[in-house]
Amino acid sequence: NAGVTQTPKFQVLKTGQSMTLQCAQDMNHNSMYWYRQDPGMGLRLIYYSASEGTTDKGEVPNGYNVSRLNKREFSLRLESAAPSQTSVYFCASREGLTEAFFGQGTRLTVV
Amino acid sequence: AQTVTQSQPEMSVQEAETVTLSCTYDTSESDYYLFWYKQPPSRQMILVIRQEAYKQQNATENRFSVNFQKAAKSFSLKISDSQLGDAAMYFCSPGGTYKYIFGTGTRLKVLA
Repeated sequence: NAGVTQTPKFQVLKTGQSMTLQCAQDMNHNSMYWYRQDPGMGLRLIYYSASEGTTDKGEVPNGYNVSRLNKREFSLRLESAAPSQTSVYFCASREGLTEAFFGQGTRLTVV
Repeated sequence: AQTVTQSQPEMSVQEAETVTLSCTYDTSESDYYLFWYKQPPSRQMILVIRQEAYKQQNATENRFSVNFQKAAKSFSLKISDSQLGDAAMYFCSPGGTYKYIFGTGTRLKVLA
């Protein structure tokens, strides 16, 4: 029972480098989400996808892009990483109004 | 638009005592559920309890219960008979059809 799988688990980037965080779910959920978690800030929504083929901005979208590749996969791209993007990133999926299921998180450090 | 406020950054409770964590929210959606999640040091997000907003009866799940006041847009979590394993960050969330946002969290410490 994989649930929501994020890769990688850890990453260190240099300022200006780009990278893509991958997320896949095997629960046939329509909605998928990307969050970042910083100390004292809780989970802040970056982007979400209510269904395959649609994406929308969340609370903190600047500096990020997303792709809903298919129903299973939702990737988050940092085009030019900045130290302010150092954070723990979570992917989640849900169906309708039910609870979200989360990946294990990616700890990203930008130096 | 959706907003969530958790006004208690940190709470402490003695083992076996009861503690209440508060949450207020606002949402423009007519259909939504409300959730409390627990995040232990492992960072895994664990669902604690769920409340359907159309239900007047407050949800309970073993030692966990909610006080849902829809008109006041308040959704507090009560933990009874607190255990050391309850120590964690707790997040509330009004889960609408599309956006799914969280409060800033309350860190719960359980004192032996």
